[in-house]
Amino acid sequence: EVHLVESGGGLVKPGGSLRLSCAASGFNFNNYNMNWVRQAPGKGLEWVSSISYSSGHIFYAESVKGRFTISRDNAKDSLYLQMNSLRAEDTAVYYCAREQYGSSWYVDYWGQGTLVTVSS
Amino acid sequence: QSVLTQPPSVSAAPGQKVTISCSGSSSNIGNNYVSWYQQLPGTAPKLLIYENSKRPSGIPDRFSGSKSGTSATLDITGLQAGDEADYYCGTWDRSLVWMFGGGTKLTVL
Repeated sequence: EVHLVESGGGLVKPGGSLRLSCAASGFNFNNYNMNWVRQAPGKGLEWVSSISYSSGHIFYAESVKGRFTISRDNAKDSLYLQMNSLRAEDTAVYYCAREQYGSSWYVDYWGQGTLVTVSS
Repeated sequence: QSVLTQPPSVSAAPGQKVTISCSGSSSNIGNNYVSWYQQLPGTAPKLLIYENSKRPSGIPDRFSGSKSGTSATLDITGLQAGDEADYYCGTWDRSLVWMFGGGTKLTVL
């Protein structure tokens, strides 16, 4: 069974940094592209970043480009999101999500999420 | 404001049918498959429909999806109280980003 478990969230001051982790199990992690998707309180889903299975292709939403860095360690079955220069508008639950490919790409599994609160 | 447009809310009585729409453009829905996600209160999203109309194992056939041009639709028949949730459409955009709709809150009256 696929499991994605996020950790590393918490309260941080504006301008601060935080590193999120996602531990994957139940599938061959190094065969799958992975994503971070966030959800601000009471709001909808917002895609943040994607990384291909080999880290060869990385994409970011404009709202986080230059501040966030996605990475992965296939030896540890883990996905990461380094978040710098955090702003109040980055406050959200951050989900780790697996990308699947059939005839196209789609997100098929989500973690339970970790809450990041940016506030002074 | 999301690039993919969904109605903020829909409602229907138990046993009835509800339709949720998702409108995009030629750079996203028009040239890519659409997936749908259900988010029950306080939980993570769950895949309901992928590649416009396919259901993952375990998803009942009360849930169905379709796509025409730059719009997609999620139909839910035989509504149950447990279907009350937020529903999101999603697709890959030509600008190499994932996109989600703004979400639709389903209320079972």
